[in-house]
Amino acid sequence: GAVVSQHPSWVICKSGTSVKIECRSLDFQATTMFWYRQFPKQSLMLMATSNEGSKATYEQGVEKDKFLINHASLTLSTLTVTSAHPEDSSFYICSAGAYGYTFGSGTRLTVV
Amino acid sequence: AQSVSQHNHHVILSEAASLELGCNYSYGGTVNLFWYVQYPGQHLQLLLKYFSGDPLVKGIKGFEAEFIKSKFSFNLRKPSVQWSDTAEYFCAVRNTGNQFYFGTGTSLTVIP
Repeated sequence: GAVVSQHPSWVICKSGTSVKIECRSLDFQATTMFWYRQFPKQSLMLMATSNEGSKATYEQGVEKDKFLINHASLTLSTLTVTSAHPEDSSFYICSAGAYGYTFGSGTRLTVV
Repeated sequence: AQSVSQHNHHVILSEAASLELGCNYSYGGTVNLFWYVQYPGQHLQLLLKYFSGDPLVKGIKGFEAEFIKSKFSFNLRKPSVQWSDTAEYFCAVRNTGNQFYFGTGTSLTVIP
């Protein structure tokens, strides 16, 4: 079945630095991938839709200049959290697949 | 705009008790509905999904859900829970763009 891989699983970075998270579709091609964020004890919130070869579309309230998304190939989308701050600490999850319902294992980001 | 409501925030049951978790959605288009489970420290796992056809959907691990269009509901059920069912449960709606909108989740604790 469809497998979505995320890397890294967890990352700790200093405030003000940038962090890149990768989302890969391992056994299928994905023209569209989705990025979600989950704060502790809260639900997943859709951040943006990543489109291969074109600009990502962001949900209302999500800063596109802070959360840079690149979908350069049919199997890889990256989310870069720029100038990270402690409030960006969260669990970031991507999804892909023909129907968007295969989720990656997530990336725990802690900004100190 | 689509939204999903889960009314039970935290449910505590004894083993062998029956479970029903409520989910109501608001979406004007064709609905695709999902239930996911997130075990402690793990990523989202698909329990079951409804696209069309028989409104009673059976999923993994003995779970089932019933789509009632007139009530805009998609409640999750299990006749006899086990300790291993302790987890967070999320209901979600998927729109025609394959974007997911999640409920706030229900934390289930099963007491041995």
